[in-house]
Amino acid sequence: GAGVSQSPSNKVTEKGKDVELRCDPISGHTALYWYRQSLGQGLEFLIYFQGNSAPDKSGLPSDRFSAERTGGSVSTLTIQRTQQEDSAVYLCASSFNHRVSISPLHFGNGTRLTVT
Amino acid sequence: SQKIEQNSEALNIQEGKTATLTCNYTNYSPAYLQWYRQDPGRGPVFLLLIRENEKEKRKERLKVTFDTTLKQSLFHITASQPADSATYLCALDSLYGGSQGNLIFGKGTKLSVKP
Repeated sequence: GAGVSQSPSNKVTEKGKDVELRCDPISGHTALYWYRQSLGQGLEFLIYFQGNSAPDKSGLPSDRFSAERTGGSVSTLTIQRTQQEDSAVYLCASSFNHRVSISPLHFGNGTRLTVT
Repeated sequence: SQKIEQNSEALNIQEGKTATLTCNYTNYSPAYLQWYRQDPGRGPVFLLLIRENEKEKRKERLKVTFDTTLKQSLFHITASQPADSATYLCALDSLYGGSQGNLIFGKGTKLSVKP
């Protein structure tokens, strides 16, 4: 497709369950980013990939969060043993290269995660 | 660490007026600053990028200024329309030098343009 695709668009899960969120970036974009947006809050950086490697994992909130990217394309964000405070919209973005200063981010429409 | 402040959570203006949104940062001056628009239920969409050596950038009815002395960017929408109603986010690099790293975002200003 022409844009960044995220699935599922909505996910409701019970506390303690694991969830996987998927991101398909724009073809040819080497950099991929995950952000989290809670109600009334700004975008919180989680992790960034350049190709398949993640130079910056500093934003992951806890060791329950992990992410991988394979083939320089699709990325999966996994949250283990979900907690209610994990409820948020998880946004994925891609850019042509890792120089975010000059290469704007293209965002998907996010996955709205609700932990009950 | 760098912090971004967008000075108002909400701004209400009348159609046809100019909307002015403010973005202040607290630490080092970034090499670049970006503005995004976000509609409800959607991801942010890139609007404009301005470099530190550019005082002003225009795109159609949009104008962005960047004052590194004041550590501030202003975002103007002239002849505003109800369709301009959205949340506007400013963003800049988390690392000085700005060639790598990630963008950090302000919390945004929700603009409402009344007909």
